[in-house]
Amino acid sequence: NAGVTQTPKFRILKIGQSMTLQCTQDMNHNYMYWYRQDPGMGLKLIYYSVGAGITDKGEVPNGYNVSRSTTEDFPLRLELAAPSQTSVYFCASSKSLARVDIQYFGAGTRLSVL
Amino acid sequence: GQQLNQSPQSMFIQEGEDVSMNCTSSSIFNTWLWYKQDPGEGPVLLIALYKAGELTSNGRLTAQFGITRKDSFLNISASIPSDVGIYFCASTTGNQFYFGTGTSLTVIP
Repeated sequence: NAGVTQTPKFRILKIGQSMTLQCTQDMNHNYMYWYRQDPGMGLKLIYYSVGAGITDKGEVPNGYNVSRSTTEDFPLRLELAAPSQTSVYFCASSKSLARVDIQYFGAGTRLSVL
Repeated sequence: GQQLNQSPQSMFIQEGEDVSMNCTSSSIFNTWLWYKQDPGEGPVLLIALYKAGELTSNGRLTAQFGITRKDSFLNISASIPSDVGIYFCASTTGNQFYFGTGTSLTVIP
């Protein structure tokens, strides 16, 4: 059982480049989330999804886009990378939000924008 | 956005000592969560609290949901080297999750 899998683990981008961070889960969870974690800080919610075809903004959505075409996958898209997007990105999933179900996190993607 | 203030920012303790950390907010929350993050990994949920005044244990860990619903604390008893990591409090309103800035714990053998 792989849980939540994120790819790539590391990436360096030039300013203005675009990329997609991949996230997939094999637990048949309805809820999926994208967070960013800046050095010495807690996680901030970028976007979340309550099911296939449904996404919504979190606390810091600017500069990012998401899609949820299947239950398993929740990719995060950076269209015009900026140095402020240098961070560690975590994807998470949970079965439901009925009683704040346990969130399972991936191992993270470390992104540097230079 | 919501602000969760965690203290202390870091702690250095001897193996076997007890540890206490807390989290406060200017807003009222209905849920408090405590996570641990090991280096290079994502956070893992330790304890979830759903009711004001609730006291919950998970092995050597004990957490309480403050009666004002604006704070929570986490205690670790008889610390061991594998307790090393960063501990985050978190809470949620609706579908939004908010994390504290973390307490970095170092346990000296």
